[in-house]
Amino acid sequence: QQPVQSPQAVILREGEDAVINCSSSKALYSVHWYRQKHGEAPVFLMILLKGGEQKGHDKISASFNEKKQQSSLYLTASQLSYSGTYFCGTESQAGTALIFGKGTTLSVSS
Amino acid sequence: EPEVTQTPSHQVTQMGQEVILRCVPISNHLYFYWYRQILGQKVEFLVSFYNNEISEKSEIFDDQFSVERPDGSNFTLKIRSTKLEDSAMYFCASRYRDYGYTFGSGTRLTVV
Repeated sequence: QQPVQSPQAVILREGEDAVINCSSSKALYSVHWYRQKHGEAPVFLMILLKGGEQKGHDKISASFNEKKQQSSLYLTASQLSYSGTYFCGTESQAGTALIFGKGTTLSVSS
Repeated sequence: EPEVTQTPSHQVTQMGQEVILRCVPISNHLYFYWYRQILGQKVEFLVSFYNNEISEKSEIFDDQFSVERPDGSNFTLKIRSTKLEDSAMYFCASRYRDYGYTFGSGTRLTVV
């Protein structure tokens, strides 16, 4: 079951903050966040595991509400380099493949 | 930093022809995956591979697709008889346990 991301697109000025949400109808083992720039591969940002452990980028934060099967990615003091498409990927059980949402396009301008 | 390497970067093939996409995952990673992305749309799961066998596959991964890890380092995706709708960017990824995926730079497959 594909996770649902919102919003579909965000437009920011440098220095502004953004929140991207990801929700699933299934119980989750983990949520991943990736950023993809045009013409490039997705790049891992963060993993949030059931039980509260987080691993990833030290300048980006995220939350995972296991009971609601929801995760949010917090981008603070955005920089031009933050522009790209952000995908959440959900893992229903340990070792199962990630299923990605449709993505949220973030555009940061100066 | 270790990388996942994919070859070729671009492949143009005629409809009905067989193609093999190649990947070299990161050496100590345990899980291997193929995903595809059509024209900047969402990243779609095809197949996962663990302990030298397919562990999971999607509805897209039908009898026309196969994967192999022939020599302990390479990981290949074969499409036996390509269709126009197989045109996409194909990404290989690998993972070490409960960490994020590392994606290769992709193979752009164009079926004409």
